[in-house]
Amino acid sequence: DQQVKQNSPSLSVQEGRISILNCDYTNSMFDYFLWYKKYPAEGPTFLISISSIKDKNEDGRFTVFLNKSAKHLSLHIVPSQPGDSAVYFCAASDEAQKLVFGQGTRLTINP
Amino acid sequence: NAGVTQTPKFRILKIGQSMTLQCTQDMNHNYMYWYRQDPGMGLKLIYYSVGAGITDKGEVPNGYNVSRSTTEDFPLRLELAAPSQTSVYFCASSYGGQLHGYTFGSGTRLTVV
Repeated sequence: DQQVKQNSPSLSVQEGRISILNCDYTNSMFDYFLWYKKYPAEGPTFLISISSIKDKNEDGRFTVFLNKSAKHLSLHIVPSQPGDSAVYFCAASDEAQKLVFGQGTRLTINP
Repeated sequence: NAGVTQTPKFRILKIGQSMTLQCTQDMNHNYMYWYRQDPGMGLKLIYYSVGAGITDKGEVPNGYNVSRSTTEDFPLRLELAAPSQTSVYFCASSYGGQLHGYTFGSGTRLTVV
């Protein structure tokens, strides 16, 4: 039972345009949502997070949006840069502080 | 500041062999985790620890054991390796603040043949 789902295995975006990565979840007990970025042969690195009491959190070029009624979150990257090419994982946490991860979306930024 | 260090980076095991994946963190984090990542899949939690002397099972604990005798170290033991344990293993740590995420090691790629 996949509690966190990223339905797009891959996404290709032109440099300078907006990248939008999507994530859906099923467990209404999740309180915190995070995005991680992963380069090949490296561990995931934390990118941005949001609490369930908010609907938007922004950090530079990265913005995460949360729609609790739809159990949906998205990550916007504006403008997209070649160094943003990586696999992006969304993750959700309940009060036990264990993260449940989605399958990942491979983002490719084309020059 | 080394962060989370995992050794070895690569290992090939024969079916039935045993090994220990090492994980050390130097950030004085109380929380530590072991995940595995299979191709095309997300990370699955194997075991976690909320402090020295305390461990608990995650989503996929079968075939693994852990111990946490110190704050810094959280080794993962594989007994009787099976092909289904072929995966990339990631260790992570956190101080416990949920919005700040985990710090991950660079992973151990394990192949069981």
